[in-house]
Amino acid sequence: GAVVSQHPSRVICKSGTSVKIECRSLDFQATTMFWYRQFPKQSLMLMATSNEGSKATYEQGVEKDKFLINHASLTLSTLTVASAHPEDSSFYICSAPGTTGYTFGSGTRLTVV
Amino acid sequence: GQNIDQPTEMTATEGAIVQINCTYQTSGFNGLFWYQQHAGEAPTFLSYNVLDGLEEKGRFSSFLSRSKGYSYLLLKELQMKDSASYLCAVIYSGNTPLVFGKGTRLSVIA
Repeated sequence: GAVVSQHPSRVICKSGTSVKIECRSLDFQATTMFWYRQFPKQSLMLMATSNEGSKATYEQGVEKDKFLINHASLTLSTLTVASAHPEDSSFYICSAPGTTGYTFGSGTRLTVV
Repeated sequence: GQNIDQPTEMTATEGAIVQINCTYQTSGFNGLFWYQQHAGEAPTFLSYNVLDGLEEKGRFSSFLSRSKGYSYLLLKELQMKDSASYLCAVIYSGNTPLVFGKGTRLSVIA
């Protein structure tokens, strides 16, 4: 079945640094990738939608200059958290729609100290 | 909005049956998913309903009533490992993102 590989699974970084999260579709072409964020004991909240070859669409309240999304190919979408701060600590997860439903990456636990 | 409502927490006994309800706005509805999520992990697909009725898959069943904007997930013969969050998610049209409810944290006790 469809697989989305997400890396890294965990990252701890210092405040002010940038972190890049990658999601690769391994056996299908993902023209669209959805990026979600999940805070502890809360549900998944959509941050943005990336489309291959075009600008990402951000949800209300999500800073596009802070959460930089690039979807340069049909198999790779990246989310970069620029100048991360402790309040950005969260679980980030990507999801791609496919012919058999929605496929999720394994998630990235970001901790900013 | 597309409010998707489900209970925040539930507790049930090992071996018992539990039903987790979910209500959603019907306008534009195009399908409903149930996912299981353990803490710190990605959601795991459980079921997909697009037509009215009951879909049974082993110990898990999911029901949908499109006219009522209502679904439930039924878990039978509960096991301790079923302790997790259960997410109701709706797709409203085409290739749009899933809209998730807040999730129901289920605790299975001995």
